[in-house]
Amino acid sequence: NAGVTQTPKFQVLKTGQSMTLQCAQDMNHEYMSWYRQDPGMGLRLIHYSVGAGITDQGEVPNGYNVSRSTTEDFPLRLLSAAPSQTSVYFCASSRTSGRVDTQYFGPGTRLTVL
Amino acid sequence: EDKVVQSPLSLVVHEGDTVTLNCSYEVTNFRSLLWYKQEKKAPTFLFMLTSSGIEKKSGRLSSILDKKELFSILNITATQTGDSAVYLCAVEDGEGAQKLVFGQGTRLTINP
Repeated sequence: NAGVTQTPKFQVLKTGQSMTLQCAQDMNHEYMSWYRQDPGMGLRLIHYSVGAGITDQGEVPNGYNVSRSTTEDFPLRLLSAAPSQTSVYFCASSRTSGRVDTQYFGPGTRLTVL
Repeated sequence: EDKVVQSPLSLVVHEGDTVTLNCSYEVTNFRSLLWYKQEKKAPTFLFMLTSSGIEKKSGRLSSILDKKELFSILNITATQTGDSAVYLCAVEDGEGAQKLVFGQGTRLTINP
C-alpha cells in the first residue's frame, strides 16, 4: 500500500491563479480530510468527506473547494490563490469517521502564493 | 469557539532530562484527545485519550487526561536527540464527524 499520497510536493503560484492539490489513498478509507498548517500553528481543518459524494466544511473553508467522486481521491481546489493561502497542506484519511486514532496523514504540499 | 492551547511553545533540554508538555482545551462536545509527533513532515499518532486518570504509555512516553480540569500532559523520560520534534495536541469535537481541533504545538529540542 502506498498509503496517502499528495501531489505536488511544492508549488509556487501567483495571486489569482487557480490550482488543484491532489490527494489519493489506497486503503479503502471512507473518511478523508484536508488541513493547512501555518508557521507556529497547529493544523486547521479546511474540508472533510465521510464518503464518496459527501463533503462538508471545516474550520477554514473559504477560498477552497473539494469534491469526492471516488473513495480514493479527494482533490482540493484553490479557485483564486491569495498570499494568505501560503501554507503547508496535509491530506489525511481514516477507515471510518469514528477512528481518529487510525488517521493517516500524507507527506504534505508546500504552497507559496506570491 | 473550540480552543486548544499548548505550553510551553518551545522547550530546549539536555539528553537524559525528563520533560512535561501541557495541553488545555475548551470544546463544546469532547470526544477524545490525541497527541501527535511531527518531525519534518506529517504528524504521526502517539496516543488517544478518552477517559480521565488512565495513563497511556509507550516506552519512554506517557500521557494522561483530566476531563474535570480540561487538560492533558505528555511526559517523556530519559529524552534522546531523536525525540526532538514538534508535539501536537488535538481534541476531537464530537459535534461533527471527526473534527479535530489542534493546538499550536510545542517545539522540543534535545541537545546532546
